[in-house]
Amino acid sequence: AAGVIQSPRHLIKEKRETATLKCYPIPRHDTVYWYQQGPGQDPQFLISFYEKMQSDKGSIPDRFSAQQFSDYHSELNMSSLELGDSALYFCASSFGAGADEQYFGPGTRLTVT
Amino acid sequence: LAKTTQPISMDSYEGQEVNITCSHNNIATNDYITWYQQFPSQGPRFIIQGYKTKVTNEVASLFIPADRKSSTLSLPRVSLSDTAVYYCLVGELVGEKLTFGTGTRLTIIP
Repeated sequence: AAGVIQSPRHLIKEKRETATLKCYPIPRHDTVYWYQQGPGQDPQFLISFYEKMQSDKGSIPDRFSAQQFSDYHSELNMSSLELGDSALYFCASSFGAGADEQYFGPGTRLTVT
Repeated sequence: LAKTTQPISMDSYEGQEVNITCSHNNIATNDYITWYQQFPSQGPRFIIQGYKTKVTNEVASLFIPADRKSSTLSLPRVSLSDTAVYYCLVGELVGEKLTFGTGTRLTIIP
């Protein structure tokens, strides 16, 4: 069965650079979530989109922005990267309202040096 | 959002049944209880969800007492591959974000 696809899987950037993470949800899923998991920490919700509109916002820095496109894929744009942004970034998808399960992708490991 | 409390870690031997209890004293009427499993450097994976009484699927059972202030995830006959972090989450459905607390690090010993 098709799963959530994230690219790239690994990314190394320097401080103050920008990064773009991509997420391709499971076909027919219309809701995308982004989570950040720092080393040794629990996943933290960043932002979500439902039908291409932002549906919820968590502890996402102002330096980060995201959007969901017409084909339902989503991109997380990160600017002015800081060392503390080094983390695993997970995208998850679900099918609309009433979804009781989120399907997570394999994650993008971002390292900021 | 209801706060959840779980043991930080647990050890168990292969072949045993493992029960992980989660406390959620402030659970709201519309809240469901969901458990996710996470292996190192992988995304969390849905295990089971319930509202009250008992729910069973092919990998686990979820026991919820009548007052719903706690829940117990039961893993039958664990194997080494069950070594992971297990998260208990409480919240409404309808495309809601997942709020992860501190999960339980389960280690299965051969």
